[in-house]
Amino acid sequence: GAVVSQHPSWVICKSGTSVKIECRSLDFQATTMFWYRQFPKQSLMLMATSNEGSKATYEQGVEKDKFLINHASLTLSTLTVTSAHPEDSSFYICSARDLAWTSGLKETQYFGPGTRLLVL
Amino acid sequence: SQKIEQNSEALNIQEGKTATLTCNYTNYSPAYLQWYRQDPGRGPVFLLLIRENEKEKRKERLKVTFDTTLKQSLFHITASQPADSATYLCASNQAGTALIFGKGTTLSVSS
Repeated sequence: GAVVSQHPSWVICKSGTSVKIECRSLDFQATTMFWYRQFPKQSLMLMATSNEGSKATYEQGVEKDKFLINHASLTLSTLTVTSAHPEDSSFYICSARDLAWTSGLKETQYFGPGTRLLVL
Repeated sequence: SQKIEQNSEALNIQEGKTATLTCNYTNYSPAYLQWYRQDPGRGPVFLLLIRENEKEKRKERLKVTFDTTLKQSLFHITASQPADSATYLCASNQAGTALIFGKGTTLSVSS
């Protein structure tokens, strides 16, 4: 139980293009999903908290117009990196909590496998 | 600002020994401390959660402690195996909030 998937697992794109990353909770419902970014040998940095049916809450320093988040259902959140540049190259990881706690503890976050983005 | 620190970037031990990883927090009092395992190129996997009113939690060969006086959590792996080699992340949160992560400690267990 408590499986989170991400698609694509890796993507290479040209500078200036937009990239969409999907995050799905496969066997549970998630009111809240989180998006993190991780640079090599660094910790996971929270980018935004995504709430189903409402606007995402962005962390300080994260441009909401550059990183568009949509959480249209209880099992799907998307992150779109708009006009991507080489400095956006990173490992993007989403996570979710199990709304019904059926898979574990209320405060546990379940993580997707990550999406590696390389912007040329 | 809230900080979670794992001061050891790397820890090398021999198979069969106990690995002990340290996590310190500053400038706040988290309600929960959590430990995750991350393998290269993968997302973190949940291992253990301990609440502020709990001193110790165990799960098979894993043990976590939470010392609110020292503002510290210790993570132990007993009878370590090469398969335990990975990066271990300490994270904390208040009820309902997102996890804040430390940088992680990369454990290498040699046979």
